[in-house]
Amino acid sequence: QKEVEQDPGPLSVPEGAIVSLNCTYSNSAFQYFMWYRQYSRKGPELLMYTYSSGNKEDGRFTAQVDKSSKYISLFIRDSQPSDSATYLCASYSGYSTLTFGKGTMLLVSP
Amino acid sequence: DVKVTQSSRYLVKRTGEKVFLECVQDMDHENMFWYRQDPGLGLRLIYFSYDVKMKEKGDIPEGYSVSREKKERFSLILESASTNQTSMYLCASSSSGGLSNQPQHFGDGTRLSIL
Repeated sequence: QKEVEQDPGPLSVPEGAIVSLNCTYSNSAFQYFMWYRQYSRKGPELLMYTYSSGNKEDGRFTAQVDKSSKYISLFIRDSQPSDSATYLCASYSGYSTLTFGKGTMLLVSP
Repeated sequence: DVKVTQSSRYLVKRTGEKVFLECVQDMDHENMFWYRQDPGLGLRLIYFSYDVKMKEKGDIPEGYSVSREKKERFSLILESASTNQTSMYLCASSSSGGLSNQPQHFGDGTRLSIL
């Protein structure tokens, strides 16, 4: 079983929609959770970084972690065509290397 | 902002060549990483380093080596390039002692083709 699972998509939504991107993980030692955004032919860019369970909001983006169900979510409000990218979730415990999901491709149409 | 710079965006080499990929970060980060990214396989860790002259194998080190002579620079070496090493190579860095809890920051990648 892969340690971090993501649906590869693509997920297609119209501009202005609320987007929900999700990951599940299997390692209960994971404490730190990240979302990266990767545009085509570019490196991953850190979007959100959270520790343990709960919500974190930054502008149109909200990251949510539910450790009881091992579920990580990223919500994007008022989605824009510029949000079209691949979104990678990642996680690690205190002293380990990062484990990445394979990414979900998001397409936001005008 | 953290800046991770990879020396080449695109590189074409021949089978059997020795290939060097260079990465420099400007934030005095202790930790540096090399990944490759392939469709359907995601990001896979090749090697990482948590200090100058230190290196650790990642998940797929075979056919690769690394060098870290200075804190800001981490080089990936393909000893004898093969076609199955055609890929996007990504360098990353992070701060703090050891590998704990700080997020990694990535360069824009080197798309390497081995002919």
